[in-house]
Amino acid sequence: DAEITQSPRHKITETGRQVTLACHQTWNHNNMFWYRQDLGHGLRLIHYSYGVQDTNKGEVSDGYSVSRSNTEDLPLTLESAASSQTSVYFCASSDGGVNEQFFGPGTRLTVL
Amino acid sequence: KNEVEQSPQNLTAQEGEFITINCSYSVGISALHWLQQHPGGGIVSLFMLSSGKKKHGRLIATINIQEKHSSLHITASHPRDSAVYICAVHNFNKFYFGSGTKLNVKP
Repeated sequence: DAEITQSPRHKITETGRQVTLACHQTWNHNNMFWYRQDLGHGLRLIHYSYGVQDTNKGEVSDGYSVSRSNTEDLPLTLESAASSQTSVYFCASSDGGVNEQFFGPGTRLTVL
Repeated sequence: KNEVEQSPQNLTAQEGEFITINCSYSVGISALHWLQQHPGGGIVSLFMLSSGKKKHGRLIATINIQEKHSSLHITASHPRDSAVYICAVHNFNKFYFGSGTKLNVKP
């Protein structure tokens, strides 16, 4: 069965370190998204991609970067982790601009 | 100012009750989504709407484009419906999410 996975599921890191969160989908979807979820803010869009080599900034992109070298993967990199980036991160994919999004299980990141 | 507002923020119901969760938005939209997030954290898409009404089992979603309002109804609620329900709107290349409605259905 097609699926979307995230790794690691839990990560603890220190301020200033570079961290990469992986997202892999086997739906063959063109569209992939990264969100963060914090109490009091709901889901907020970090970056998104509509295809290979395409990346776009979302609402809260500062301090994050993504690259899309193939259809299946959209890794999210925190260049220099900050405590404000402690959050739960969700990856999602869809096969069309307004179509249903399929969400990964989430990664809980703690920056100490 | 939030582009998507949900009400209520918290809702407690007895098993069997009819439940309504409301979503109002202030931007033009291509589509509106209802999502369900269970206590374990996983997020599932329930509905995608651009007009009218959709039904899936005991869940019904409606949207009024002119009034910029959508409702999610749950008939014959059950404790397994306990979750956070999130309204999200898609405005061309932008996505806006409500802060969610936490539903607790008591047996």
